[in-house]
Amino acid sequence: GQNIDQPTEMTATEGAIVQINCTYQTSGFNGLFWYQQHAGEAPTFLSYNVLDGLEEKGRFSSFLSRSKGYSYLLLKELQMKDSASYLCAVRDVGDYKLSFGAGTTVTVRA
Amino acid sequence: DTAVSQTPKYLVTQMGNDKSIKCEQNLGHDTMYWYKQDSKKFLKIMFSYNNKELIINETVPNRFSPKSPDKAHLNLHINSLELGDSAVYFCASSPGLAGNNEQFFGPGTRLTVL
Repeated sequence: GQNIDQPTEMTATEGAIVQINCTYQTSGFNGLFWYQQHAGEAPTFLSYNVLDGLEEKGRFSSFLSRSKGYSYLLLKELQMKDSASYLCAVRDVGDYKLSFGAGTTVTVRA
Repeated sequence: DTAVSQTPKYLVTQMGNDKSIKCEQNLGHDTMYWYKQDSKKFLKIMFSYNNKELIINETVPNRFSPKSPDKAHLNLHINSLELGDSAVYFCASSPGLAGNNEQFFGPGTRLTVL
């Protein structure tokens, strides 16, 4: 199984940048996902990393270091609509199970 | 067109009752999942089916029984409901198990057991 750790809460100003860190321990790594979940809604996919390095998608980027068991999600040019919970999830190589962290609640202030 | 749909959206019931939640996906995906998200927002996998075959069966009480009549449907039946079953239950689907197969989540079913 996995042990996934991410900060509980972060606050930032509109237009700023926020970096959400995620550390994990796994017996067999098979990919890391980031999901966004607005209050009362379903999680939606943001990014996927399986190799080391940075994946960029518009205002959102995700980084992975497998040797360090570490990933981050970078949100640039923050908008009010980015206020949400961000979930880090790691997939296991054995049964392909996706294990989620507890999520980081990001609050964007004007 | 809704990609992953669940019914009902809200379910309020008494302890001891039996209830079912239905899930359907129209994405042509092979894999479907049930997750439970508790009050602390922890999203935990319960079951996963791939091509109608059960492949993930986490440590959940056997009061919970999934059923996949076909690849597009995965239902969840819960017997003898308990207070601790109160949570939001999400259904999800993905094209397959591996690779960059993102999971698409349904809108969730908020279950409240009184």
